[in-house]
Amino acid sequence: TQLLEQSPQFLSIQEGENLTVYCNSSSVFSSLQWYRQEPGEGPVLLVTVVTGGEVKKLKRLTFQFGDARKDSSLHITAAQPGDTGLYLCAGGASNTGKLIFGQGTTLQVKP
Amino acid sequence: DAGVTQSPTHLIKTRGQQVTLRCSPKSGHDTVSWYQQALGQGPQFIFQYYEEEERQRGNFPDRFSGHQFPNYSSELNVNALLLGDSALYLCASSLYADRWEKLFFGSGTQLSVL
Repeated sequence: TQLLEQSPQFLSIQEGENLTVYCNSSSVFSSLQWYRQEPGEGPVLLVTVVTGGEVKKLKRLTFQFGDARKDSSLHITAAQPGDTGLYLCAGGASNTGKLIFGQGTTLQVKP
Repeated sequence: DAGVTQSPTHLIKTRGQQVTLRCSPKSGHDTVSWYQQALGQGPQFIFQYYEEEERQRGNFPDRFSGHQFPNYSSELNVNALLLGDSALYLCASSLYADRWEKLFFGSGTQLSVL
C-alpha cells in the first residue's frame, strides 16, 4: 500500500518567516504533486515534480523531488498571510487514476 | 470554460438518511472520481467512474455507491448515514481513467450528519 506522510501537520508562523513542509513515503512514485486548499474549496494544483532531484520554483515557493523519488519538500520564503491554507502532497497509485494524498499541513501565517 | 461543478454546496442530514451528491465534470473530460475529506485531513479516494462503470474503488463500504451518466456527469449516493460520514465530498474530473496527473477538483459538497 502506497502511503504519503506529511510533516509538520500544523504550522503557525509570523509573516516574513521561512518554512519547509515535508512529504515522505517508503514507496517510489513516478511523480508527486503539491496542492493548496482553502476552507470550503477544492484542492488547487501548485506543481508536479517528475524527475528525481528536480527543483521547481513558483515565486516564493520552491518544490524539490527526492533523488529516489520517495519524498518531496515545499519551502516557502518570506511567508505572507495570503499563504495561509492547507498544503497537500499527492501521488498517483501505480497504473491507476487514483490519487493518494498525504494528511496535509495546515499553515497559518500571522500578520 | 466551466470547471468541475458540484451540487449542493452544503447539506445537512440526520443519521440513517440517504443522500445524493452531484457532479458535472470539466468540459471535455470523461472520467469522474469522488473523494472524501475529513476536516483538516487529506482527501481519500472513494471510487472512479469511466464509461458509465465503476473502474476503481477505495476502502469504503457498500453504503457508498455511484453512477455516471452518458453526458459524463456523476452522482454519489450514501445510504444509512453515520455521524462519521460528515465531511467535504470532492469530485474530480480528468480525461482518461489513468490520468491522475491531470485531475481538476470541484469546490465540494459539505455534508453534515446530525
